[in-house]
Amino acid sequence: GAVVSQHPSWVICKSGTSVKIECRSLDFQATTMFWYRQFPKQSLMLMATSNEGSKATYEQGVEKDKFLINHASLTLSTLTVTSAHPEDSSFYICSARDVSGQGSQPQHFGDGTRLSIL
Amino acid sequence: GQNIDQPTEMTATEGAIVQINCTYQTSGFNGLFWYQQHAGEAPTFLSYNVLDGLEEKGRFSSFLSRSKGYSYLLLKELQMKDSASYLCAVKNSNYQLIWGAGTKLIIKP
Repeated sequence: GAVVSQHPSWVICKSGTSVKIECRSLDFQATTMFWYRQFPKQSLMLMATSNEGSKATYEQGVEKDKFLINHASLTLSTLTVTSAHPEDSSFYICSARDVSGQGSQPQHFGDGTRLSIL
Repeated sequence: GQNIDQPTEMTATEGAIVQINCTYQTSGFNGLFWYQQHAGEAPTFLSYNVLDGLEEKGRFSSFLSRSKGYSYLLLKELQMKDSASYLCAVKNSNYQLIWGAGTKLIIKP
């Protein structure tokens, strides 16, 4: 089955640090990847849609200068949380959609990154 | 606007059957997905419906009625490991996934 690898799985760092999270589709090509944030006991919140070779589309209220997204290839997208602060602490999850179809293909999720800013 | 409604929380007994409902209002429809998410983990895909009717997959079944904007996920022979949140998501005419807030299912012995 389709596998999405997300790294790192856990990050603890000081306030003001920038953190980069990688999302890779291991056995399929993903023209589109999605970045979600999930706070405890809440549902997924889509942050941005990342398209290979073009600028990401950010959801309303998400600061594009703070959450930098790069989708340089069909198998890799990165999310960089710049100058992270405690309120950025959350569970960040990426997902990817197989380039072969838009219909029945579900989004395949990475295992998530738990980010804790001290 | 677009929205997905599902109950916040449900409780059921081990070995029993539970039905989790989902109603939706979206700009167009290109399929409905159910995902399972255990606490602290990423969602995992359970089922996909695009035509009316019932899709069965082992202990889990998913039903869709497009005219009613309604779906349900049916879980049979409940096991303790089924305790999780169940997310309903609809793909609209722009192929965007609209997510429900999830239903937390608690299984009691």
